Amino acid sequence: DAGVIQSPRHEVTEMGQEVTLRCKPISGHDYLFWYRQTMMRGLELLIYFNNNVPIDDSGMPEDRFSAKMPNASFSTLKIQPSEPRDSAVYFCASSYLPGGSAGELFFGEGSRLTVL
Amino acid sequence: AQRVTQPEKLLSVFKGAPVELKCNYSYSGSPELFWYVQYSRQRLQLLLRHISRESIKGFTADLNKGETSFHLKKPFAQEEDSAMYYCALGRGSTLGRLYFGRGTQLTVWP
Repeated sequence: DAGVIQSPRHEVTEMGQEVTLRCKPISGHDYLFWYRQTMMRGLELLIYFNNNVPIDDSGMPEDRFSAKMPNASFSTLKIQPSEPRDSAVYFCASSYLPGGSAGELFFGEGSRLTVL
Repeated sequence: AQRVTQPEKLLSVFKGAPVELKCNYSYSGSPELFWYVQYSRQRLQLLLRHISRESIKGFTADLNKGETSFHLKKPFAQEEDSAMYYCALGRGSTLGRLYFGRGTQLTVWP
């Protein structure tokens, strides 16, 4: 398995443009997470899904952010319109939970977003 | 509410010196604690979990429920240990979700 796959790896865009980040979780994992990493705030959970259903989106900064998971093998995080303060590394992670307890998260390589 | 605190954003030690990365948590139930590591240009990955009670790359971490701590320790640091380290808390009631601290950047000087 190639692990969690994210695209694009790098994105540079101008303020006001729409940004779409993509994630393919590990096959068989039923949880998918979107995190944002910044120097100031560290790793912040934006939203997570269980069996393609959003469970907690309380970390989504504002209405400009949206996330979807149309099927078990694909998720998107969209920012529209983008702002310079959205510049960060966005990570996708997936997990499988044997026994119902918190399990290991498998992270993608991240998408580094720069909004000018 | 659950919270994970890593008091040091930056930590520097010399090669061969002992290193301790601090992590404190707040949670009223039975926590599951993890340490994740991110080496330069690599994915964030699990280093160790308290349930396993194992030593990985010479690192150990003991869950101290009385002090609500899960400090990461290594007796002799190596240059290749330089990385960002995140402490994370899992709760059985929120299946799958981990709460991360803000991370500690460890630099081991030669």
